[in-house]
Amino acid sequence: DTGVSQDPRHKITKRGQNVTFRCDPISEHNRLYWYRQTLGQGPEFLTYFQNEAQLEKSRLLSDRFSAERPKGSFSTLEIQRTEQGDSAMYLCASSPITVGRPNTGELFFGEGSRLTVL
Amino acid sequence: GNSVTQMEGPVTLSEEAFLTINCTYTATGYPSLFWYVQYPGEGLQLLLKATKADDKGSNKGFEATYRKETTSFHLEKGSVQVSDSAVYFCALSKETGGFKTIFGAGTRLFVKA
Repeated sequence: DTGVSQDPRHKITKRGQNVTFRCDPISEHNRLYWYRQTLGQGPEFLTYFQNEAQLEKSRLLSDRFSAERPKGSFSTLEIQRTEQGDSAMYLCASSPITVGRPNTGELFFGEGSRLTVL
Repeated sequence: GNSVTQMEGPVTLSEEAFLTINCTYTATGYPSLFWYVQYPGEGLQLLLKATKADDKGSNKGFEATYRKETTSFHLEKGSVQVSDSAVYFCALSKETGGFKTIFGAGTRLFVKA
């Protein structure tokens, strides 16, 4: 399977604990995005990477959240000192963006990592 | 700022009925427009897209036309099937925004046999 994969698929944790999610994008895709989705809502942008560079972070991403893409391949999203309001589905998506060629911004999503904070 | 508004659900239809899910957007310039679909237990996947005004995106019997004059991208299908039951998200993306895709809230569709 060469699609986007996320791990773990489901994480249950107690308030105050740290959690980390991993995303493996489609190998030739240089863009990687993180989104958060709560019940009944569409995905909300959190941050994105061009190769290993983090180019933008949403105001939704408090200082308890950190994301990395150290070698421009897989990415991790860490949440420190989790709160109940962090309970959501965390989605990763990748996209092939080629400089100098037309791009549409189509995203390829993983199945998501569901976080439940007790 | 850029935003997407789509009709609230759930929408419940009988098999072979006609489907319309309305979507309007607010954006400067010329965004690309998308419909993504999320089947039960699966991740979001692209259903169709259109990149410029008057383009029609189509896939699996679904169609949507990019209407810049009405800032709309309504999703239609002439005859729905039970297997079309899913959540449908309208979305936009702009290169000047780093292709950060902005999604609507989603419309859940139930199709009854």
